[in-house]
Amino acid sequence: GESVGLHLPTLSVQEGDNSIINCAYSNSASDYFIWYKQESGKGPQFIIDIRSNMDKRQGQRVTVLLNKTVKHLSLQIAATQPGDSAVYFCAGASGNTPLVFGKGTRLSVIA
Amino acid sequence: DAGVIQSPRHEVTEMGQEVTLRCKPISGHNSLFWYRQTMMRGLELLIYFNNNVPIDDSGMPEDRFSAKMPNASFSTLKIQPSEPRDSAVYFCASSPVQGSNEKLFFGSGTQLSVL
Repeated sequence: GESVGLHLPTLSVQEGDNSIINCAYSNSASDYFIWYKQESGKGPQFIIDIRSNMDKRQGQRVTVLLNKTVKHLSLQIAATQPGDSAVYFCAGASGNTPLVFGKGTRLSVIA
Repeated sequence: DAGVIQSPRHEVTEMGQEVTLRCKPISGHNSLFWYRQTMMRGLELLIYFNNNVPIDDSGMPEDRFSAKMPNASFSTLKIQPSEPRDSAVYFCASSPVQGSNEKLFFGSGTQLSVL
């Protein structure tokens, strides 16, 4: 089955620096990955997704990188802002199986 | 669009009582999901529906849990009887992708405390 995990439970970055949040997965059949941001007291909010036929996808200030060889996923946030402080979750799925979420990484932005 | 709407936002109840959580998905979304979030276990999928039909309820922890979706704009998650270990945040999410769990849009959740 799918197992999605994170390398670090917490990450502190200086405002203006770039942030990199990492995620590992175990199911080589996973073909869809997604990143969510969850602020305190709110539900997870969609950030960006990527399919396994891609290795990079960019959004506004965010980039997701997928390395299928080592089953690794990362979220890069450019010019991190205080509003980026939140818990970030990666999730993966294969076919139409339900998304499996990792435990999350808490990002703290230091002003 | 108002997004996924859940009610109540907070629920405090005593052990043994029945609890009903409600969800209104985004209009036009065909898939609806119920998740539970705890510090220990993270986000766990309980059940999901496609076109109002339950597809996978293998995540429902026990027979005390039941979910219904009587129409495309409303779903309930019921716990009867409730127990302290049911305390968690329960999220409802909907997806615009037919029969898929891609790009889930989450509600604000219901914080449930069972005393």
